Amino acid sequence: SQTIHQWPATLVQPVGSPLSLECTVEGTSNPNLYWYRQAAGRGLQLLFYSVGIGQISSEVPQNLSASRPQDRQFILSSKKLLLSDSGFYLCAWGYNEKLFFGSGTQLSVL
Amino acid sequence: EDKVVQSPLSLVVHEGDTVTLNCSYEVTNFRSLLWYKQEKKAPTFLFMLTSSGIEKKSGRLSSILDKKELFSILNITATQTGDSAIYLCAVEADSNYQLIWGAGTKLIIKP
Repeated sequence: SQTIHQWPATLVQPVGSPLSLECTVEGTSNPNLYWYRQAAGRGLQLLFYSVGIGQISSEVPQNLSASRPQDRQFILSSKKLLLSDSGFYLCAWGYNEKLFFGSGTQLSVL
Repeated sequence: EDKVVQSPLSLVVHEGDTVTLNCSYEVTNFRSLLWYKQEKKAPTFLFMLTSSGIEKKSGRLSSILDKKELFSILNITATQTGDSAIYLCAVEADSNYQLIWGAGTKLIIKP
């Protein structure tokens, strides 16, 4: 069966510091991968999606970037965090229009 | 511009009540509508609807789609405190690997 791992669960970072959130999927090959951000108690905003290794599409201009160095690995990064980058970040993989989510990372930028 | 609107934004009811959550959409080339439940962390899949008038059911939860009026409802009967969650609606339109998400309905079930 397929599983998705996302870490860390919680992260507190100072403004201007770098960021790296990692997501890996097991049990499937060549999945579509997604990074979402969710405002407190609200819907999901798509940040990036990837249909294959090295293929990244960005949905909104921002201070973040994504990379897919391996088939089942998706990384969300920033060189210098802003206060506005605080939020709940979710990684997901997709299959037949359904999305399966990781457990999320609560990022606080102080 | 494609959009998905959920209502109400929040709802507080007592255990045992029945609730109806709404999701309306305006999208180009509709493909499917999905409902997710988010209790704490990861949203979990509930239903996928593609055809009008066909009810999907899972226990006390059910959902139906109206493609003419462009909306879906999610019903929960005999609510329990464990039903407390944010319920998210999303629509897939065209073939662009994206889901368009509603803002969610925060449901609180009081004992």
